[in-house]
Amino acid sequence: EAGVAQSPRYKIIEKRQSVAFWCNPISGHATLYWYQQILGQGPKLLIQFQNNGVVDDSQLPKDRFSAERLKGVDSTLKIQPAKLEDSAVYLCASSIEWGQNEKLFFGSGTQLSVL
Amino acid sequence: TQLLEQSPQFLSIQEGENLTVYCNSSSVFSSLQWYRQEPGEGPVLLVTVVTGGEVKKLKRLTFQFGDARKDSSLHITAAQPGDTGLYLCAGAHGQNFVFGPGTRLSVLP
Repeated sequence: EAGVAQSPRYKIIEKRQSVAFWCNPISGHATLYWYQQILGQGPKLLIQFQNNGVVDDSQLPKDRFSAERLKGVDSTLKIQPAKLEDSAVYLCASSIEWGQNEKLFFGSGTQLSVL
Repeated sequence: TQLLEQSPQFLSIQEGENLTVYCNSSSVFSSLQWYRQEPGEGPVLLVTVVTGGEVKKLKRLTFQFGDARKDSSLHITAAQPGDTGLYLCAGAHGQNFVFGPGTRLSVLP
């Protein structure tokens, strides 16, 4: 079974530039998550989709971050304009459905450095 | 303020030693998960605990959920270098999971 695919693996940009990350979840997984993991910290949820609808985006900085999941499959996360504090690993995860016992499958992440 | 606290933050031990790491909160969770994350990779689920007082074993790893479902522990017996990684606990909170900051374990050969 193919895992969660993310690209690019690494991205270096200057502050105020724009960047986009792409995620392809496991086939058939309805729930998709974007997490931000700053060095030395645990993952922090940015946005959660159920199919193509947003379930939770309460911690997404909406003035600069946006995400979409058209057709309920692939998803993109965009930052515009980037700030120094956005340097982090951006993890995408998927699960079959939402549930308290659901297993989250994570991709390898995109490591973003903002200079 | 972290919803989940983990301790210790860092742990370096010799191969063959035993260790316990902790995950604590003032909140009650309906379920709690433990993940291991290796450098350059995403977290991988180890276990989910649901019932207060529940104990689950996975080879040399023993997981316990506190009676009040506010805390959990992970005990590793006879640690091996392959156990090296970042151990994260995650609690079911609303419609998603909240992660702790992790314990970074290094097992030296």
